[in-house]
Amino acid sequence: SQQGEEDPQALSIQEGENATMNCSYKTSINNLQWYRQNSGRGLVHLILIRSNEREKHSGRLRVTLDTSKKSSSLLITASRAADTASYFCATNILTGGGNKLTFGTGTQLKVEL
Amino acid sequence: KAGVTQTPRYLIKTRGQQVTLSCSPISGHRSVSWYQQTPGQGLQFLFEYFSETQRNKGNFPGRFSGRQFSNSRSEMNVSTLELGDSALYLCASSLGWTQETPLHFGNGTRLTVT
Repeated sequence: SQQGEEDPQALSIQEGENATMNCSYKTSINNLQWYRQNSGRGLVHLILIRSNEREKHSGRLRVTLDTSKKSSSLLITASRAADTASYFCATNILTGGGNKLTFGTGTQLKVEL
Repeated sequence: KAGVTQTPRYLIKTRGQQVTLSCSPISGHRSVSWYQQTPGQGLQFLFEYFSETQRNKGNFPGRFSGRQFSNSRSEMNVSTLELGDSALYLCASSLGWTQETPLHFGNGTRLTVT
């Protein structure tokens, strides 16, 4: 079963606007990651935030993490048509080692010209 | 560097058959993970291999198995296929030393069971 729920399920904006996606999860985590998936293809890693971090930036991406609320948000600023894709949050819990990502349900972002 | 390569890209199988999917990781990556993606259940973790050993396992029945070879290439096998096994199967590789090394995904194998 999926740990994460993402909101909204779908988002349609105009090029140049900002897009915000939210992710909630259920258990304590070691880190949270965001991935992008273009239709029918593999996922691309965007950004990772550790459980002891509150905010992280990478280019036009800004991620926040609130462990007390078990939630995260991804902000894409000045969106472009090429940002059209599905976005997933994924959480990593502490294990004996290695990755065992639990993915959210995803947000479908459409950026229109 | 070449990316993660999954073969075949598409597969059509009949209920009851078995199937083997292949994944070649990025050179130097020692961890390979497998995920199943369906419209109903989303992305679900199957298992992870590191240096030929299964390090983590998801909640899938024993019909789903995998292995990793000494060159880090991995195969996933599904026996006695069911209609519900129709999905996009994604392989991902990483350096694998910590949980903070990002996963690099292949484009997947789309399996259709009829």
